[in-house]
Order: sequence, then structure tokens, then C-alpha cells
Amino acid sequence: GENVEQHPSTLSVQEGDSAVIKCTYSDSASNYFPWYKQELGKRPQLIIDIRSNVGEKKDQRIAVTLNKTAKHFSLHITETQPEDSAVYFCAASISGYSTLTFGKGTMLLVSP
Amino acid sequence: EAGVTQFPSHSVIEKGQTVTLRCDPISGHDNLYWYRRVMGKEIKFLLHFVKESKQDESGMPNNRFLAERTGGTYSTLKVQPAELEDSGVYFCASSHTAGDTQYFGPGTRLTVL
Repeated sequence: GENVEQHPSTLSVQEGDSAVIKCTYSDSASNYFPWYKQELGKRPQLIIDIRSNVGEKKDQRIAVTLNKTAKHFSLHITETQPEDSAVYFCAASISGYSTLTFGKGTMLLVSP
Repeated sequence: EAGVTQFPSHSVIEKGQTVTLRCDPISGHDNLYWYRRVMGKEIKFLLHFVKESKQDESGMPNNRFLAERTGGTYSTLKVQPAELEDSGVYFCASSHTAGDTQYFGPGTRLTVL
């Protein structure tokens, strides 16, 4: 089955810096890659996703890149703010099968 | 639009007892998923309903776990008898169609003592 590795497990940055979280996956059939943000005590919320027919997607300060050949994808957050502090999860799935396989999560701490 | 809701938010039980978790998906979402996160580890898939039918239950850990979705609306996940290793946060998610964005509930934190 699919296996998703996520790094780093924790990431501390200063406000205004950029943050990058990386994930690798094992199943070449995976073609949908969502990122979820979970603030303390709240539900995981989808912040961005990418499908395998594109290499990059942006939404304001966040972007995701996908390298299908290398089977890795990354989340980039620019101009980080304290409210970006949360646990971020990457996931992979095969379209039509629905099951999400998650990474272990990255705790991002943005210091003012 | 109301989001996915879960009840209870927390549950503390003794080993050997029974607990039932409930999930109400977003109205109109045929697909309902259960996931679990054991402390410090990844969120792991448990099972997937399409309406009232179990589409995929490959992630269910053992036969102490029973999930139902009678009528294709809300779902329950019963753990009987509970063991220490069942402690964790149980998430429910729903989507309109398979492969669509999955919207998560706030989770139920289960502690088995």
C-alpha cells in the first residue's frame, strides 16, 4: 500500500520567513495530494491540494509543488505569520479510491 | 453550511468498557470516512462508507471495532471492549463524491485507562 513520509517533524521560523515542508510517497498510482492544517484543538482543514496533471499550484502565500518522477511534493509558505502556527499534514490518494494516506505531520511554530 | 460534527468531543473510559462515537456528515455527502490518530503518529484510515454501504474497511484494526451507517446519514463507531491501545483521536470526514475534498470533523479524543 501507499506510504507517505513527511519532514521535518517540527519547524520553527521567525515571522516573515519562509517555511517548506516536504513529503514523499511510494505508490506511483497516487495522483491527488492535499495538505491539511490543524490548529490546536481544531479540526484538520484543507488549505491547498494538487493533482498530478500539474506541477505547481499557488494560493496567496501558500504553494505546493509536485515532482511525479521523484514522487515528492512540498508545501511552501511565504511571509509566515504567527497564525500559521499549526500542525500540517500532507496526504496522497488515488483518484476514485478516496482513501487518504497521511504523513505524520509537521508542527510549524512561527515566532513573532 | 454546517460542517461535519462529532460526538462526544472527549471520552474517558476504563479498559474493557464499550464506547460509541458518532459522526454527522455534511448534508448530502454520500461518502463518509473514519480515521484515527494515535498520539504523535499519522492520521490513519479506518473505513469508508458510500451511503449505507461499507466501501472499504481495510483499515479497521480488529473485530473490536464496529462501524455502522444505517440509513446512509450519520455513522457510529463502536469499540467493544476497549483496550489501552485504542486511545487516540478519532476523526470523521465526508465528501460529496469519491475523490472530492474530504471535510473533517473536530474529532473525538478517546482515552482508555
